[in-house]
Amino acid sequence: AQSVTQLDSQVPVFEEAPVELRCNYSSSVSVYLFWYVQYPNQGLQLLLKYLSGSTLVESINGFEAEFNKSQTSFHLRKPSVHISDTAEYFCAVLPYNQGGKLIFGQGTELSVKP
Amino acid sequence: GAGVSQSPSNKVTEKGKDVELRCDPISGHTALYWYRQRLGQGLEFLIYFQGNSAPDKSGLPSDRFSAERTGESVSTLTIQRTQQEDSAVYLCASSSRGGGNYNEQFFGPGTRLTVL
Repeated sequence: AQSVTQLDSQVPVFEEAPVELRCNYSSSVSVYLFWYVQYPNQGLQLLLKYLSGSTLVESINGFEAEFNKSQTSFHLRKPSVHISDTAEYFCAVLPYNQGGKLIFGQGTELSVKP
Repeated sequence: GAGVSQSPSNKVTEKGKDVELRCDPISGHTALYWYRQRLGQGLEFLIYFQGNSAPDKSGLPSDRFSAERTGESVSTLTIQRTQQEDSAVYLCASSSRGGGNYNEQFFGPGTRLTVL
């Protein structure tokens, strides 16, 4: 079985400050790792993913996440946030060869204040 | 092309009534998924369709929940005798292919179900 834990349900931060949203997972099989974002009143969008290769992955809007196998973590970071980054962020895993069903964490609400 | 669409966007119903939620996947996507997002919680997998294979129903929470899919197109999620704990946003996603290799899932806007 797999599970995903997002350690912070809410993260308030000031604009231009750095942020880290934490994600840990548990799995008995290998997994792919994802961060999804849900902006207010919008659908869920893929932010970035780790499939293989370099453990550091980046998104087009300045977020990055690093896969740490020994710590079973996939924390999301951004060095300087904008008001427009205010959203809910979900970490998810996809077990290999198990039909494609994503397993999500509980979500972290990022609130960026001016 | 068009993304995943879902209808209705909002549904308010009374406890004990049946509801049907509809999902139109991206054209050509053979895999279709239903998830549920209850308030303050992450998304829970409900059911997965892949082509003509038997669906994976392992996430359905009770026998009041069922889903159908017509070929590789529209899917309907039916909840019978709704209960207040069924209140949630129901999300549909589709991908070009399911199975072991990764194929990105594209999500619809969801249907917000409120059971009074």
